[in-house]
Amino acid sequence: GIQVEQSPPDLILQEGANSTLRCNFSDSVNNLQWFHQNPWGQLINLFYIPSGTKQNGRLSATTVATERYSLLYISSSQTTDSGVYFCAVEHPETSGSRLTFGEGTQLTVNP
Amino acid sequence: DGGITQSPKYLFRKEGQNVTLSCEQNLNHDAMYWYRQDPGQGLRLIYYSQIVNDFQKGDIAEGYSVSREKKESFPLTVTSAQKNPTAFYLCATGTGGGLYKFFGPGTRLTVL
Repeated sequence: GIQVEQSPPDLILQEGANSTLRCNFSDSVNNLQWFHQNPWGQLINLFYIPSGTKQNGRLSATTVATERYSLLYISSSQTTDSGVYFCAVEHPETSGSRLTFGEGTQLTVNP
Repeated sequence: DGGITQSPKYLFRKEGQNVTLSCEQNLNHDAMYWYRQDPGQGLRLIYYSQIVNDFQKGDIAEGYSVSREKKESFPLTVTSAQKNPTAFYLCATGTGGGLYKFFGPGTRLTVL
């Protein structure tokens, strides 16, 4: 099956700093989503981005499907950005629109 | 309020007992999914259902069972055959052909 690798596994920032999270995947995808899991376990869908670039406030994401990677940018980080960021992908030949998740990047933003 | 409800939030069971986790949605989404998350790891797919009265095994279905009798409901039973059931269980729905995923708040199951 498709493999998803996220880096770095852990990231510690001071409030106000910028960061880039990376997601590499091993095969073509027709679906790529970024999620944020807060400290209580809730997953929030940040972006649906199988290709191209999107922005939502301080967050933006870019997926270069031909090179099999996606980047999540967080600017002017805040303590509420802390949590785990997951990249999840779907291969076009997979039935049921099933997502395969990476192991996540644990982000800690200190005040 | 539209959304996905999972109950209970925390669940404790003795080893050898079956337990059923509830997932209800009022988003009118056709697809529903169950994922398992272990500490420090990503999510793994247990079962999924694209329409009522139909469901498919995911990557780690052994020791679990599901039903989909109503569009709104997709309960997961963790049976005594599941060797390591202690985990965080997340239910999700999908729309847009299943492409857009939305997650419930999760149930933390601890088997003593």
